[in-house]
Amino acid sequence: AAGVIQSPRHLIKEKRETATLKCYPIPRHDTVYWYQQGPGQDPQFLISFYEKMQSDKGSIPDRFSAQQFSDYHSELNMSSLELGDSALYFCASSPLGQQGKYEQYFGPGTRLTVT
Amino acid sequence: AQSVTQPDIHITVSEGASLELRCNYSYGATPYLFWYVQSPGQGLQLLLKYFSGDTLVQGIKGFEAEFKRSQSSFNLRKPSVHWSDAAEYFCAVGAGFGNEKLTFGTGTRLTIIP
Repeated sequence: AAGVIQSPRHLIKEKRETATLKCYPIPRHDTVYWYQQGPGQDPQFLISFYEKMQSDKGSIPDRFSAQQFSDYHSELNMSSLELGDSALYFCASSPLGQQGKYEQYFGPGTRLTVT
Repeated sequence: AQSVTQPDIHITVSEGASLELRCNYSYGATPYLFWYVQSPGQGLQLLLKYFSGDTLVQGIKGFEAEFKRSQSSFNLRKPSVHWSDAAEYFCAVGAGFGNEKLTFGTGTRLTIIP
């Protein structure tokens, strides 16, 4: 079965640089979520999109922005990177709108290292 | 706001022994509850979920969980663990449509000894 695809899987950036993370949801899933998991931490919700509109927002820094495109893929843009941004970034998708099912399927994550 | 507590940071179990991982949640209404498993450096795999109905839910890999409203708990169980079950286990709660973000517990690391 198709899963959530995230790219790149690993990314190394220097402080103050910019990074773009991409997420391709499971086909026919209309909702995308982004989570950040720091070392030894639990995943923290950043932001979500339903039908290309932002549906909820968590503790996402102002330096980060995200959007969902017409093909439902999503991108998380991170600017002025800081050492503390080093983490595993997960994308999850859900068929929420189409089937009313409330379960999220996670991608493998993008490991971002800021040096 | 919803919250999740996993009281056990680390649990060690012998292979073949039974397992119970504890999860307590805080939410005013009926929550949506999930258990995820994460192997080192890997993504999160959904083990099972509870939305409504039967309070004992079956999941993949032989896991089950029981929702107890009176105790605000959703403990994960497995009758006989295998070495491949060693991983980090996260309990998560969602508030429902319109507020679907998941709030995770801090996780329980499971070690299996021969």
